[in-house]
Amino acid sequence: AQSVTQLGSHVSVSEGALVLLRCNYSSSVPPYLFWYVQYPNQGLQLLLKYTTGATLVKGINGFEAEFKKSETSFHLTKPSAHMSDAAEYFCAVSEGSASKIIFGSGTRLSIRP
Amino acid sequence: KAGVTQTPRYLIKTRGQQVTLSCSPISGHRSVSWYQQTPGQGLQFLFEYFSETQRNKGNFPGRFSGRQFSNSRSEMNVSTLELGDSALYLCASSSTSGNLLEKLFFGSGTQLSVL
Repeated sequence: AQSVTQLGSHVSVSEGALVLLRCNYSSSVPPYLFWYVQYPNQGLQLLLKYTTGATLVKGINGFEAEFKKSETSFHLTKPSAHMSDAAEYFCAVSEGSASKIIFGSGTRLSIRP
Repeated sequence: KAGVTQTPRYLIKTRGQQVTLSCSPISGHRSVSWYQQTPGQGLQFLFEYFSETQRNKGNFPGRFSGRQFSNSRSEMNVSTLELGDSALYLCASSSTSGNLLEKLFFGSGTQLSVL
């Protein structure tokens, strides 16, 4: 069965600093991977996804993630943090177009002025 | 185009009662997924319906059930409520084709408190 582990329930960075949120997955088949963001009192929004092809995926708001099969990882990065990036971020995995999407436990990102 | 609508927004129940939550997906979307979100457990998958059929199921007890109607609206029901059922219940809709690799659109959730 597929699963996702997000390392660090809370990450704090300074405004302008690099953002790195870690995600490792487990899947018995080639995975499909996602990052979603949740702002307070809202539902989740898709940031980016990897299905096939290029392993470096660019998403909205300057975020990107790289699929590394050898490390079973899909870490999320952003070169320069902005105050508006403060939110909860969820990594997710699926095993196919009709398969359920399983989310990690989330990482809360705080931005220091 | 209207987004995913969940009703009610807030709900307070007592132990032993049952509750029904409603989700109206984006027009044309045929897949509806339900998730339970708690501070301790994060987002846990409950079930997914596509064209009125349950297609995927998570690891929740039988007290949690759902259904989908011909207009794709979905309801989930929790019977014999327990304190641990207090959570934000999120609904997400996806796709006219049933392809879950397309973007999930989430509602704002129903906050259930069990006293």
